[in-house]
Amino acid sequence: KNQVEQSPQSLIILEGKNCTLQCNYTVSPFSNLRWYKQDTGRGPVSLTIMTFSENTKSNGRYTATLDADTKQSSLHITASQLSDSASYICVVSPGGYQKVTFGTGTKLQVIP
Amino acid sequence: DAGVIQSPRHEVTEMGQEVTLRCKPISGHNSLFWYRQTMMRGLELLIYFNNNVPIDDSGMPEDRFSAKMPNASFSTLKIQPSEPRDSAVYFCASSPGQGAGSDTQYFGPGTRLTVL
Repeated sequence: KNQVEQSPQSLIILEGKNCTLQCNYTVSPFSNLRWYKQDTGRGPVSLTIMTFSENTKSNGRYTATLDADTKQSSLHITASQLSDSASYICVVSPGGYQKVTFGTGTKLQVIP
Repeated sequence: DAGVIQSPRHEVTEMGQEVTLRCKPISGHNSLFWYRQTMMRGLELLIYFNNNVPIDDSGMPEDRFSAKMPNASFSTLKIQPSEPRDSAVYFCASSPGQGAGSDTQYFGPGTRLTVL
């Protein structure tokens, strides 16, 4: 069964600190992995997308890594800001007409 | 572009009533997705369309749920009759390509449904 597990479930960090969120998946075959950011009361917004051959992708202060051999990904947030408070969802796609699999997300709270 | 538009943003109804949620995808996008999100289960794909044709509705929880896409710029998700356990946030998303979501999906703001 295709699964995507994220850890931690929730995280509180001080403004200005860095943090790393984890995503482990068992989806097969593998086409791509995306990280979405979901602010409270809004729809998810794509941050990064990585295919099998990519190990790192950055979007501003967000850097995603992918190890396709161990089926693990991480999202690193540098110099966190209050606006980073949100849920971060890892999504893995087998490609084609097969459905994507969503993780249940990590809820991040950045406090002053 | 205004992005994906959903209406209503909030809906409160009584058990047994019919509920219709509406979605206008981004112009030019070929795929449209309906999701349900709850605290317990996260995001669940209900159904998706490619070029207005339903491709996979295996996520639709039961016959009380139905979805249509009469043209490229409009889709509805209907629940009849509604039950309290249907209370959730329903998202519509669209993407440029075909398939089940290999492309980046652009989500609407969601409809928060409460069934009393």
